[in-house]
Amino acid sequence: DIQMTQSPSSLSASVGDRVTITCRASQSISYFLNWYQQKPGKAPRLLIYAASTLQSGVPSRFSGSESGTNFTLTIRNLQPEDFATYYCQQSYTAPRTFGPGTKVDI
Amino acid sequence: EVQLVESGGGVVQPGGSLRLSCAASGFSFEDYMMHWVRQRPGKGLEWVSLISWDGGTTHYVDSVKGRFTISRDNSKYSLHLEMNSLRTEDTALYYCGKGHTSGSVGSWGQGTPVTVSS
Repeated sequence: DIQMTQSPSSLSASVGDRVTITCRASQSISYFLNWYQQKPGKAPRLLIYAASTLQSGVPSRFSGSESGTNFTLTIRNLQPEDFATYYCQQSYTAPRTFGPGTKVDI
Repeated sequence: EVQLVESGGGVVQPGGSLRLSCAASGFSFEDYMMHWVRQRPGKGLEWVSLISWDGGTTHYVDSVKGRFTISRDNSKYSLHLEMNSLRTEDTALYYCGKGHTSGSVGSWGQGTPVTVSS
């Protein structure tokens, strides 16, 4: 199975900050990497798919990039509603593993 | 508007069975891959299973293989997860998800809770 790791596991930030979250796959997954946001008590929300494609309705301050087996989610100009937990997921092959998550708080 | 509504969760003893359902609306259900994803209390997301648009292809995470069965009824816009030989570690909130481009999960239900406890 493909293992997904994320760093950091948590971070503290302020409104207006630029935040970077990294996800690494244990083997090549091409561009089959997705990012989700989850707020407490809510279902996850798809932010980015195919490593860098913004899902419809997601603010442009979110962006994704890839470099080999390393993937990055960047949030520019962090807003109060962005404080949440972020998960990466590979959809290259089954099982479609998620990363352990990165909690972004104030 | 896409809507996914899970049902069927509850409390069951170890070794017991449950059948989860997901009622879909607002899209052409028969055209999309569907997923089950779970989240144990206070933990992260765990992908559980997927089924292709026609039901011809299914995949499972290793920990549920042989115990869980995913199925769908395209005529009724419904997705199911038959869960047998339940273990305490299957306790989680189970989400139904609609497949999206590049294998992502584009829409999610609100989840149905499953508690396995004696």
